[in-house]
Formats: sequence, structure tokens, C-alpha cells
Amino acid sequence: AQKITQTQPGMFVQEKEAVTLDCTYDTSDQSYGLFWYKQPSSGEMIFLIYQGSYDEQNATEGRYSLNFQKARKSANLVISASQLGDSAMYFCAMREPRGFKTIFGAGTRLFVKA
Amino acid sequence: DVKVTQSSRYLVKRTGEKVFLECVQDMDHENMFWYRQDPGLGLRLIYFSYDVKMKEKGDIPEGYSVSREKKERFSLILESASTNQTSMYLCASRGSYTGELFFGEGSRLTVL
Repeated sequence: AQKITQTQPGMFVQEKEAVTLDCTYDTSDQSYGLFWYKQPSSGEMIFLIYQGSYDEQNATEGRYSLNFQKARKSANLVISASQLGDSAMYFCAMREPRGFKTIFGAGTRLFVKA
Repeated sequence: DVKVTQSSRYLVKRTGEKVFLECVQDMDHENMFWYRQDPGLGLRLIYFSYDVKMKEKGDIPEGYSVSREKKERFSLILESASTNQTSMYLCASRGSYTGELFFGEGSRLTVL
């Protein structure tokens, strides 16, 4: 069965420093998509970044980059130059290749310290 | 600006009541989803719909049903609410098979 694992329930980072949020996934399929979402305290889920399983380059979106290591089945999110507004829950997700489902990990709560 | 709107941000219901959670999207998306979010468990898929009047069970469909009579609207129904259905409910839509999900603001349901 497909599964997403986020092993860090909570993380602290100093403002302006970089932070890596871990995500590993389990699938036997070759074609899949990986996503990261941010959920601030307001509750709304915000899409951050996407990586296709066949993409050779790591995805980047502004201060966000996805460190994709296919052989290790990991898709870690790197946030550079953390800001106070980055304090939120972060979810890693995988779109299943056959069908329409997107499954989520348990999330990591990030706290950015001033 | 894309928009997914959930009808209620906060609801309080009593055990045994019928509960309707409504979700409307204005992006002409074919795929729509209902998730519930609980601390430590992330988001779990309840039901999804890939077209009007089409629906598929997700990972935790027990105690829920859905309705999609129009493309833009996807409703989640709790036929007889129970206390273990107290949760945050998130609706989402997707425009393409490979695309990201667009979420509503969530509906926090408390069942007493």
C-alpha cells in the first residue's frame, strides 16, 4: 500500500536560517507525483511545490526546494532563509499513479524563532 | 482567482443528527475530494468524485456519504453524527490528473 511518512512532529528554526523537513514515501509504482502543502494557523491548505517521479531536476519555487532522492524514496522540503510567516504545519503528499487519490503524511509543525 | 468555498467554518451538532457539509468550486474542475484532518493522523480521504454523479470511496468512508449533482458542488453527508466524527473537514478540487489540490478553508465539526 502507498504510504507517506513524516518523522518530525515538530521542528524549530531560527529566522533567516534554512530548514529541511523530511518525507519518505512507499510505492511500488514508477509513475507518481509528490507535493508539499503548507497549513497556517488559519487552516487553509496552500500548495507549495510539486515533483514528478520522472523529473530529473529537483523542483524549486522561490525559497522552497524539494530534495528528491528516488532510490531512497525521499522527498524532503528545504526552506531557505526562514521567515516568521513560515511557522505552520507542513504536509507531504503523494498522488497515486493509478486512480485519483492523493495521500498525505501526518505533517510537521514548524516554528520559526525571531 | 481560484476558489473553493465550504459552507460552514464551524458547526456544533448533537449525536444522531444529520449533517450536511457543502463545498463549491468555481474553477470548472472535474475532480473533488473530501478529507478529514485529525492531529497526528494528517489528512485522510473520505470520498472523492471524478465527475458529476460519479463517486468513489476513499480510505475512511464509513459513516459518510456524498452527493455530486452539479460539477461545481460536492456535498458530504453524515447520516447520523457520532462523537468520533468530531474533526476538521477539508474539501478540495483538482483540475487535471497531475495537478495540485485546491482546498477550501475547512469546516470544524463538533459532535456532542
